[in-house]
Amino acid sequence: DVKVTQSSRYLVKRTGEKVFLECVQDMDHENMFWYRQDPGLGLRLIYFSYDVKMKEKGDIPEGYSVSREKKERFSLILESASTNQTSMYLCASSFGHSQPQHFGDGTRLSIL
Amino acid sequence: QKEVEQNSGPLSVPEGAIASLNCTYSDRGSQSFFWYRQYSGKSPELIMFIYSNGDKEDGRFTAQLNKASQYVSLLIRDSQPSDSATYLCAVLESGYALNFGKGTSLLVTP
Repeated sequence: DVKVTQSSRYLVKRTGEKVFLECVQDMDHENMFWYRQDPGLGLRLIYFSYDVKMKEKGDIPEGYSVSREKKERFSLILESASTNQTSMYLCASSFGHSQPQHFGDGTRLSIL
Repeated sequence: QKEVEQNSGPLSVPEGAIASLNCTYSDRGSQSFFWYRQYSGKSPELIMFIYSNGDKEDGRFTAQLNKASQYVSLLIRDSQPSDSATYLCAVLESGYALNFGKGTSLLVTP
């Protein structure tokens, strides 16, 4: 079974803090993704990576950055957290371009 | 961005009935289609994927794809209360990123 592990299930941070969300997959998947999910807006892609050190912007990259130094790990960084970044953050990975994406359990992030 | 449309529901079906969930998409070049189930407060879980026109069956689930009509559906036979969840349709339009619909809420009543 594919295992995608997100470092925290729940996280509370203050506005202006730099926040790191970590994601690790154990299936040697090439592609990794970060989404956020908000009521009424659905799942929106923030960033994705198709290879180590490669990254592409998704639909809503503003206020975020990512890092992929190793194939199994993909980090999402909130440079200066703001209250409108309170959300459920979901990491996913896939083996190939058209293969299914598998999700981690998600991190519910609250910015106060 | 191209659209992936789902009826938000809730779709209510009695236990044991067939639940039919529908999804339309606007990008004619789309090649890969996925159905995810999401329980409240949980992350999406892959149910089915389909690449070719026609039907694909897996246990109680059948995915149906009609590329000419730009339509993909998910049938759940012998629906159970544990099937009550939000079902997300996702379409791979180009590149690597999936375009998700906003989901259909399914309620299976005992």
